[in-house]
Amino acid sequence: DAKTTQPNSMESNEEEPVHLPCNHSTISGTDYIHWYRQLPSQGPEYVIHGLTSNVNNRMASLAIAEDRKSSTLILHRATLRDAAVYYCILGTGNQFYFGTGTSLTVIP
Amino acid sequence: EAGVTQFPSHSVIEKGQTVTLRCDPISGHDNLYWYRRVMGKEIKFLLHFVKESKQDESGMPNNRFLAERTGGTYSTLKVQPAELEDSGVYFCASSQGRQGTFYEQYFGPGTRLTVT
Repeated sequence: DAKTTQPNSMESNEEEPVHLPCNHSTISGTDYIHWYRQLPSQGPEYVIHGLTSNVNNRMASLAIAEDRKSSTLILHRATLRDAAVYYCILGTGNQFYFGTGTSLTVIP
Repeated sequence: EAGVTQFPSHSVIEKGQTVTLRCDPISGHDNLYWYRRVMGKEIKFLLHFVKESKQDESGMPNNRFLAERTGGTYSTLKVQPAELEDSGVYFCASSQGRQGTFYEQYFGPGTRLTVT
């Protein structure tokens, strides 16, 4: 079973903010939370990662719940190029544990 | 800077045959990972190299799979003999720095393996 659970799909209007949720209730204290996205015919691409505190970078923001059992990837203004499958991943030891991913559709 | 490359992009073989997948990581990246996604399932870890040494191969499904990383550069993943359930997409990724999942992993485009 996957260590993270995500909705199968979500839609967003172009230029609107998008909040992609992820549950990881079995997370341990040293596990990192990573988000990657995958475009068709490409490998996963790094988006953001964090441990306990909220994180911001040029692509997105990551909001981590206080108990770390859930997190939310925030795209501040969705563009058509953001349409992809977004994976919430737990980094444990040397391994990445992928969820099944959320397919994001951006509506023009 | 060249990214992670994988060869071939697609391979179709018959059950019982042998296939070898190749991964060229980003130059200077000591860590190399193999993952795969079989139909309808999530992407799963197979193994992790640090330079030429296998650090963690707990995700390898069985002894039909053999991974090598000669000289700490490119890596190969051989499946012998291939079975129908081996069909899927095999991804390679590399990262710099020390072991552990803190560092960003750079993924290749994957090799789609179809066993008929």
